[in-house]
Amino acid sequence: GENVEQHPSTLSVQEGDSAVIKCTYSDSASNYFPWYKQELGKRPQLIIDIRSNVGEKKDQRIAVTLNKTAKHFSLHITETQPEDSAVYFCAATLTGGGNKLTFGTGTQLKVEL
Amino acid sequence: DAGVIQSPRHEVTEMGQEVTLRCKPISGHNSLFWYRQTMMRGLELLIYFNNNVPIDDSGMPEDRFSAKMPNASFSTLKIQPSEPRDSAVYFCASSYQGGSYEQYFGPGTRLTVT
Repeated sequence: GENVEQHPSTLSVQEGDSAVIKCTYSDSASNYFPWYKQELGKRPQLIIDIRSNVGEKKDQRIAVTLNKTAKHFSLHITETQPEDSAVYFCAATLTGGGNKLTFGTGTQLKVEL
Repeated sequence: DAGVIQSPRHEVTEMGQEVTLRCKPISGHNSLFWYRQTMMRGLELLIYFNNNVPIDDSGMPEDRFSAKMPNASFSTLKIQPSEPRDSAVYFCASSYQGGSYEQYFGPGTRLTVT
């Protein structure tokens, strides 16, 4: 089955700096890679996703890149703000088979003033 | 839409008691997922259903856990008997297979077993 590794487990940045979270996956057949944000005491929510036919996707201050050859993908947050503080999870799946997501272990991002 | 609905939001029970968690997926969604979240183990998929049929229950910890989905709008996760190590937040999520693939999570049930 799929295995997803995520690094770092914790990340502290100054407000305004950029943050990068990296994930690797094991199953080369996986073709869908979402990122979820979970604020303290809340539910995980999708913030951005990328499919294997695309190398990069941006949405305002958030971007995700995918390297299929190396089987890794990354989340980039620019101009970080205190409200970006949360736990971020990457995930991977092969769509069409029920969309069972395999999640990474999460990154606790803290944006300091 | 009200989103995914879970009940109860909090449950405190004694070891050995039966616990039933409930989930109502978003109308029209045909996939439903049960997750458990703890600090030690992160977010674990327990079981998921497609069109009310259990597809993969390999994440269910042991026979004390069971899940059902009698119709498209309701699912239950039952723990019998409960143990302190079952204490966690249990999330239900739903998605539309064939759509955007996004999983919509419910607010979760915080279970404490004493």
